[in-house]
Parts: sequence; structure tokens; C-alpha cells
Amino acid sequence: TQLLEQSPQFLSIQEGENLTVYCNSSSVFSSLQWYRQEPGEGPVLLVTVVTGGEVKKLKRLTFQFGDARKDSSLHITAAQPGDTGLYLCAGARWFSGTYKYIFGTGTRLKVLA
Amino acid sequence: DTAVSQTPKYLVTQMGNDKSIKCEQNLGHDTMYWYKQDSKKFLKIMFSYNNKELIINETVPNRFSPKSPDKAHLNLHINSLELGDSAVYFCASSQDDGRSNTEAFFGQGTRLTVV
Repeated sequence: TQLLEQSPQFLSIQEGENLTVYCNSSSVFSSLQWYRQEPGEGPVLLVTVVTGGEVKKLKRLTFQFGDARKDSSLHITAAQPGDTGLYLCAGARWFSGTYKYIFGTGTRLKVLA
Repeated sequence: DTAVSQTPKYLVTQMGNDKSIKCEQNLGHDTMYWYKQDSKKFLKIMFSYNNKELIINETVPNRFSPKSPDKAHLNLHINSLELGDSAVYFCASSQDDGRSNTEAFFGQGTRLTVV
């Protein structure tokens, strides 16, 4: 299994600060997704990046796919308490006639008011 | 009107018992999955079904047997439960259109505790 390492594993910051979460692998992925999971709930898709070097923005969140499609980053500007949650990256690899999604190790973010 | 629903939400049972978790999706998707999330929040795929056919079967003990009676349902039966089976199990579904940017919709999870 190709592992997707996320860093940092835990992050506790004050409201208004900026932060970046990294998702790294030695393998190439067809696409990279970012999900957010809140306590007691399942993960919810935030964004999918497909092209190497692609940058997508979702309000205060900026997602980037590495040029070699092996890594990705999530940058949050002016974090708010509502951003608190578990952030998971997931890479897609072709496997036996379908895409298999491999999830990263997760980053737990807590934004303090 | 929940898109992916799984029952029960919580399950506490003794070692050695057999239990089932049910999952239903009303999105019309043709692919369904079971994932296991451990205490460190690592989410790992267990099984994937497409139109009732098993297409991904990770290294999962034979005690775990998925069953898909139709493409809207994917149930998970676990025999002879062990302490290490304690985790949160997530069902998910997606529309497999041959692209790599398919969105997976997850259920709320079933927290299984084996005592």
C-alpha cells in the first residue's frame, strides 16, 4: 500500500492565523482529493485536483497539487473555529479496472477562538 | 433524507460474537465501499463493490464478509469478533464513471466496540 503522509499530525492555532497542511508520497496519483471530517461524521469532500501544478481556491482555502502529482498542500488563510476538524488527503490510483483511493494519515486541526 | 445511511451508529458487543452493519445509499451510485478508521483516525479501504460485484478486497480477515443484495445496499458481516476489530466503520458510495475525480459520499459511521 502506498502511504500518503500528512504533516503536521496535529495543529492547534488561534483564530485569524494562517496554516498549511502537507500531503506527501513517493508515488504518483491520478488525482488528489481533500476531505474534512468532523467528530461523529463521515468525511466530506472539499476539492479534487487533477493536473500537476493545479491550484484551486475555495474561499479561504487554497489547494495545490505538486508538479509531479506526488504531493499536495492545503493552505488556510485567517483560520476560524469553524475550520476545526480532521483533514484527510486521498490519492487516486488505477487498480484492477477502477480507481482506488488511498487516504492520508490525517491532520487534526483545532482553531481556538 | 440521508444520502448514505448506515445502521447501527453504535455497536458494543462481546468477543466471539457475530454482528452485521447495514448500509444503504439513495444517490443512484453504482459503487459502494467499506472503510475502517482506527483510533489514530487512519482511514483504510476494506472492500469496494461495483454493481453488486466485488472489485477491491484489501487484506482483510475472512471473518469479514461483505454482501451486496443490490447496488443500493452493501452490508458488512463480521464473524467471531476480536478486540482489534474495535474501530469506526464507514460506508461510502460514488458514481464510477472512469474518472479519477469521483466524489465519495460517506455515511456517518458505525462505532464498533468489542469488549
